[in-house]
Amino acid sequence: QVQLQESGPGLVKPSETLSLTCTVSGYSITSRYYWGWIRQPPGKGLEWIGSIYHSGSTYYNPSLKSRVSISMDTSKNQFSLRLTSVTAADTAVYYCARDAFDIWGQGTMVTVSS
Amino acid sequence: DVVMTQSPLSLPVTLGQPASISCRSSQSLVYSDGYTYLNWFQQRPGQSPRRLIYKVSNRDSGVPDRFSGSGSGTDFTLKISRVEAEDVGVYYCMQGTHWPWTFGQGTKVEIK
Repeated sequence: QVQLQESGPGLVKPSETLSLTCTVSGYSITSRYYWGWIRQPPGKGLEWIGSIYHSGSTYYNPSLKSRVSISMDTSKNQFSLRLTSVTAADTAVYYCARDAFDIWGQGTMVTVSS
Repeated sequence: DVVMTQSPLSLPVTLGQPASISCRSSQSLVYSDGYTYLNWFQQRPGQSPRRLIYKVSNRDSGVPDRFSGSGSGTDFTLKISRVEAEDVGVYYCMQGTHWPWTFGQGTKVEIK
């Protein structure tokens, strides 16, 4: 059974960098598929942040492209999100998901505040 | 970016009655491989989204057969044949044909 679990700080200060990790169990992230990040501000809809292909190619939402990076740690079967220069507008629940989002993590709330 | 427009945004329904949600894209979602990468998701209150339908009309494993997807090109529909109490939540369409992948605004389904 494939499972995804997000982890990382729940509070980040403005102008700092948000870093989250998604740990995948039950499947090797280098075998196949895209692995992505999606976020949802409180009370709002879903926004795709970016995805990394099993080969390592990355795809980002242009609205965030200058601030976002996604990487893989194959030894730990994890992929990670970095979002720089955060503001209050980056406050959201952050989800990791597989491929065309057939499997999701439970989500982690990140608040940007001083 | 491809804009996904859902309607209605709010859908009060009676238990046991059908429901239908429309999703329109600003450009064709047919990919060069011939497939149309249009998915539907359900998000129950307090839960992560769950994919119901992929590539327009394919139900994911475990999804009740009262959910069905249809459409082509730029016009798509999610139908619930008989709404049950557990169907309350927000439904999103999403296109995975063009980068960046984009979601609709969401349709909130509630029981009358």
